[in-house]
Amino acid sequence: AQRVTQPEKLLSVFKGAPVELKCNYSYSGSPELFWYVQYSRQRLQLLLRHISRESIKGFTADLNKGETSFHLKKPFAQEEDSAMYYCALLSSGTYKYIFGTGTRLKVLA
Amino acid sequence: NAGVTQTPKFQVLKTGQSMTLQCAQDMNHEYMSWYRQDPGMGLRLIHYSVGAGITDQGEVPNGYNVSRSTTEDFPLRLLSAAPSQTSVYFCASSYTTANDEQYFGPGTRLTVT
Repeated sequence: AQRVTQPEKLLSVFKGAPVELKCNYSYSGSPELFWYVQYSRQRLQLLLRHISRESIKGFTADLNKGETSFHLKKPFAQEEDSAMYYCALLSSGTYKYIFGTGTRLKVLA
Repeated sequence: NAGVTQTPKFQVLKTGQSMTLQCAQDMNHEYMSWYRQDPGMGLRLIHYSVGAGITDQGEVPNGYNVSRSTTEDFPLRLLSAAPSQTSVYFCASSYTTANDEQYFGPGTRLTVT
């Protein structure tokens, strides 16, 4: 079954510390993976997608097919990074998106 | 551009009532979708559409109907509301189905008593 797992409901880090938000997936085929973010009182928005191989707001995510992971990383957390983060997978055959349960990141001053 | 709009923002229904959540986009996007967001469950896909006249079921379609008569609009109908449908509902759209960014609406908070 296709699944996206985000094992941490809440992740608290201090400002300036490294951040890693975990995402594991289960999918038979080549996955298309995304990270979406929801800041307080804002809409859910795309942060980055694996196919673009880009860094957005200092965040990167590498697809590891061997470990079936797509962890989100940032070397130095900032207070404005506090938000809810969702990992998502697009099933290319059916055009269905599957979201993880989300991880709330709190960056402490 | 208004982007993706949803109405209403808040709604309280009684068990058994029906209602339609409205979603519209002005970006000429082909793909539209509805999600529900519940604590600890993340976002779950209810229904989606890859173009006008084409809809399909997502992960949790029971109790909901959709139609896509125009590219712009994708209403979600609750036929007979149940307390289990208390949730925050998000509509989203993207230009195509091919790995494009989804743009989300502001959400509708629905309570069924």
